[in-house]
Amino acid sequence: GIQVEQSPPDLILQEGANSTLRCNFSDSVNNLQWFHQNPWGQLINLFYIPSGTKQNGRLSATTVATERYSLLYISSSQTTDSGVYFCAVEYGDTDKLIFGTGTRLQVFP
Amino acid sequence: SAVISQKPSRDICQRGTSLTIQCQVDSQVTMMFWYRQQPGQSLTLIATANQGSEATYESGFVIDKFPISRPNLTFSTLTVSNMSPEDSSIYLCSVEIGFGVGELFFGEGSRLTVL
Repeated sequence: GIQVEQSPPDLILQEGANSTLRCNFSDSVNNLQWFHQNPWGQLINLFYIPSGTKQNGRLSATTVATERYSLLYISSSQTTDSGVYFCAVEYGDTDKLIFGTGTRLQVFP
Repeated sequence: SAVISQKPSRDICQRGTSLTIQCQVDSQVTMMFWYRQQPGQSLTLIATANQGSEATYESGFVIDKFPISRPNLTFSTLTVSNMSPEDSSIYLCSVEIGFGVGELFFGEGSRLTVL
């Protein structure tokens, strides 16, 4: 099956810093989503981005499907950005999402 | 997006017992999935809940351990049977909003602790 690897696994930032999270996948995908899992365990949809670039406030994402990677940019980080960030991909003829390994982000004041 | 409600939100269970988790969506959806997240780990797909037929299970998950029902397009249940401490996880329901759109949304999750 497809492999979805995220880097870095852990990231510690001071408030106000910028960061880039990476998601690599081993096969062609139909769709890609980025999620933020908050400290209470809830998954928040950030981006639905099978290709191209999208921006939402301080967050933006770029997926280069031909090179099998996606990037999530967080600018001017805030303590509320803390949590785990997952990318997830859909591939083949299914609608199911396969999740990446996750990046745990901690933002300190 | 739709409102996806899961019950219970959390529970503490005894070894050997079974617990049923409910997932209710406020609109009809085509695809529903159940995921498990073990402590400190990523999410793993358990099965696709098929409306009116048996669920489709992923490798490593079996119906006897995780029976799933989906009687209609807005509701599904996942039962965790004969629980052991290794079943302590967050169980999440996921739905696709809109046919063929592809974007999945998740319920708040059910955090189970097995003693």
